Amino acid sequence: GQNIDQPTEMTATEGAIVQINCTYQTSGFNGLFWYQQHAGEAPTFLSYNVLDGLEEKGRFSSFLSRSKGYSYLLLKELQMKDSASYLCAVRGWYNNNDMRFGAGTRLTVKP
Amino acid sequence: DAGITQSPRHKVTETGTPVTLRCHQTENHRYMYWYRQDPGHGLRLIHYSYGVKDTDKGEVSDGYSVSRSKTEDFLLTLESATSSQTSVYFCAISESPLTGTNTEAFFGQGTRLTVV
Repeated sequence: GQNIDQPTEMTATEGAIVQINCTYQTSGFNGLFWYQQHAGEAPTFLSYNVLDGLEEKGRFSSFLSRSKGYSYLLLKELQMKDSASYLCAVRGWYNNNDMRFGAGTRLTVKP
Repeated sequence: DAGITQSPRHKVTETGTPVTLRCHQTENHRYMYWYRQDPGHGLRLIHYSYGVKDTDKGEVSDGYSVSRSKTEDFLLTLESATSSQTSVYFCAISESPLTGTNTEAFFGQGTRLTVV
């Protein structure tokens, strides 16, 4: 079937590194996005991968393997403000236009 | 911040009544999306638009219709609201997905709809 899977919850310690995985099975693919969403707020864009490999942006990095249908978001030097939900989204689910989201991973950063 | 506004921000309505939510953008982006977000399900695509009068269904389109008569406005209508449509609704906009850059979606602040 077609699906986007992420762990439901993760916990990590301030200053540590955490990796959030996302696997997907789709009939089409035109890019994978990661969004951050704090409770009660709108999602905000973090990263975009369309080719295989690692994209680094400050403390956040995202990796994509299209052949494996796999991506991860790496958060370094965790801060308390990184406590949020992290959403994986695939564009081109059925065509070039639509964008589908996983259920999200709720990350709690503890002191 | 991208210029995207949803209205109303909160609404309580009765079962069986029609409801229209509005998404307004000032970015002149071609693509507009309506999502609903529920605990345990994440964001689910209801309908999207790829141009004026060009719309298509998403994964949870039953009971919803949309219209886009001009670039800046994308309306979501619940024909006859049901309790299962109680949710937070997000509108999103994006430029062409084919350029490889500037393809991210920007989200509105959401509309919390309660159907009683």
